[in-house]
Amino acid sequence: DGGITQSPKYLFRKEGQNVTLSCEQNLNHDAMYWYRQDPGQGLRLIYYSQIVNDFQKGDIAEGYSVSREKKESFPLTVTSAQKNPTAFYLCASKPRVTPQETQYFGPGTRLLVL
Amino acid sequence: GQSLEQPSEVTAVEGAIVQINCTYQTSGFYGLSWYQQHDGGAPTFLSYNALDGLEETGRFSSFLSRSDSYGYLLLQELQMKDSASYFCAVRDNYGQNFVFGPGTRLSVLP
Repeated sequence: DGGITQSPKYLFRKEGQNVTLSCEQNLNHDAMYWYRQDPGQGLRLIYYSQIVNDFQKGDIAEGYSVSREKKESFPLTVTSAQKNPTAFYLCASKPRVTPQETQYFGPGTRLLVL
Repeated sequence: GQSLEQPSEVTAVEGAIVQINCTYQTSGFYGLSWYQQHDGGAPTFLSYNALDGLEETGRFSSFLSRSDSYGYLLLQELQMKDSASYFCAVRDNYGQNFVFGPGTRLSVLP
């Protein structure tokens, strides 16, 4: 089955700790995205990548870092510089060219600060 | 910069028709998308308009007027399972950067 997987489903972070959220897709999509969603709010773009070894900052990149070493994988690291990391994190992917601009989302990771 | 506006909440009864509006301000425009998100779940794609007019997909339709920077999602024959949040989104004309609206929470009552 093709799709996007995110792990873990829940993640707990201690003060001053870096944590990494996993995102893997087997859809052969070129573009991948990381969004943050706070309760009752819309999605805000953190980082996106259109091809391997290239990525761009979104609207709220401060305190986050990413890598794109493989087409299938786009991990997000929440660093200790991100002072308010508690949120729902969503990963998405999209083919480079699609007539409907459809993004396919993973099930998400909930990050909580201890 | 880009910004989108949607009503925060809409309530309707089963079997009714509801319209969710979206207005946008963008430096470039590449089409308006709509996504549905149930509580605790991931957004799923519903509809997309690149050109003016109405797109129909089953009970859901979406409309776009580029001259008015306005679109809407129309849900017909509402069912309880349609209770969810609905987001409009636009793509930056200069890249692959997507901007989402704040979302409209639809409550369908029996």
